[in-house]
Amino acid sequence: AQKVTQAQTEISVVEKEDVTLDCVYETRDTTYYLFWYKQPPSGELVFLIRRNSFDEQNEISGRYSWNFQKSTSSFNFTITASQVVDSAVYFCALLIMFSGGYNKLIFGAGTRLAVHP
Amino acid sequence: DAMVIQNPRYQVTQFGKPVTLSCSQTLNHNVMYWYQQKSSQAPKLLFHYYDKDFNNEADTPDNFQSRRPNTSFCFLDIRSPGLGDAAMYLCATSRQRGHTDTQYFGPGTRLTVL
Repeated sequence: AQKVTQAQTEISVVEKEDVTLDCVYETRDTTYYLFWYKQPPSGELVFLIRRNSFDEQNEISGRYSWNFQKSTSSFNFTITASQVVDSAVYFCALLIMFSGGYNKLIFGAGTRLAVHP
Repeated sequence: DAMVIQNPRYQVTQFGKPVTLSCSQTLNHNVMYWYQQKSSQAPKLLFHYYDKDFNNEADTPDNFQSRRPNTSFCFLDIRSPGLGDAAMYLCATSRQRGHTDTQYFGPGTRLTVL
């Protein structure tokens, strides 16, 4: 099976707290890509990061950081010093390739993050 | 700025009345996708175009059709909307089909069916 599991349905934190959003994936492919998208209340899906299966180096971008561990099939996302503007639904997604050369994003169910002042 | 544009942002239609949603892009990407996202759910792929090559997901209802008259525009037609078709419809683009290509999404059209 190829799927993405985001076990945390909702997380509520107070501003300035650190928060980690979990993502566990399953795939039989040896080459694959993982993504995180943010969906604020306005509805658009905003691309945050892409990581390929050969690069396990963790990445930091400002207050955002990502921890990719192939050994546990996880690609977790941490927001440091959370802010109210971080309130959104966050989706982890797996890009898989089908015959015929087209790809497909498999999304997790999403984690709704609420950051309170 | 290069981007993915969807019009309208909000669409209200009546049960059974055909409706068309529009997506345009200035990214000059070859692939365009349509997703349906129901409340509190993940986006679900309906179909995509690789250039003019149309690819339908196996479980996409026949009620949903799509047209891509040129590289920049793609339309989603719902022939006879039912109450269950009320959702956010997201358009996305990617440069090519391959593994490396990120999908970039538009702001979505929220469809209400009365």
